[in-house]
Amino acid sequence: GENVEQHPSTLSVQEGDSAVIKCTYSDSASNYFPWYKQELGKGPQLIIDIRSNVGEKKDQRIAVTLNKTAKHFSLHITETQPEDSAVYFCAAFSVTGANNLFFGTGTRLTVIP
Amino acid sequence: DSGVTQTPKHLITATGQRVTLRCSPRSGDLSVYWYQQSLDQGLQFLIQYYNGEERAKGNILERFSAQQFPDLHSELNLSSLELGDSALYFCASSVSGDTGELFFGEGSRLTVL
Repeated sequence: GENVEQHPSTLSVQEGDSAVIKCTYSDSASNYFPWYKQELGKGPQLIIDIRSNVGEKKDQRIAVTLNKTAKHFSLHITETQPEDSAVYFCAAFSVTGANNLFFGTGTRLTVIP
Repeated sequence: DSGVTQTPKHLITATGQRVTLRCSPRSGDLSVYWYQQSLDQGLQFLIQYYNGEERAKGNILERFSAQQFPDLHSELNLSSLELGDSALYFCASSVSGDTGELFFGEGSRLTVL
């Protein structure tokens, strides 16, 4: 099945700096890559996603890039703010066998004011 | 608010007991997923239903079972509970289960004493 690896597991940045989280996946048939933000005590919230026919997508301060050849995708957050502090999960949707969303292990981002 | 409703939000019970967690998907969504998140862990896929039928099974223990009813709400039954079953249980829903766009509820926190 699909295997998603996510790095780093923790990330601390100064407010205003950029943060980058990277993920790799193993199943070349995966075609959808969402990113979720999970705040303390809450459920994961979809913040941005990208499909395999697109290389980059941007939504205000967040962007996601996808390299299908290398099987990796990244989340970029610019001008970080304290409210960006949360755990971020990447995921890959595999259409091999039963359609399923496989999650990375998460990155705890702390933005220091 | 994702539109996915989970009850109860918190549940404390003893080892050996049985509990039922309930999930109402977003209006119009036919597919329901259940995930388990242990302390500081990632999201482990348990099981997926689509329009009342089981579609995919992940790392779900034999002591656990689930079903999706004709009105599309779903229940996750956990029996013979052990201390290690203490976790957050999330339900997510999607329109069809074929695209990977999942919307998560706020979770049910289960504590087994």
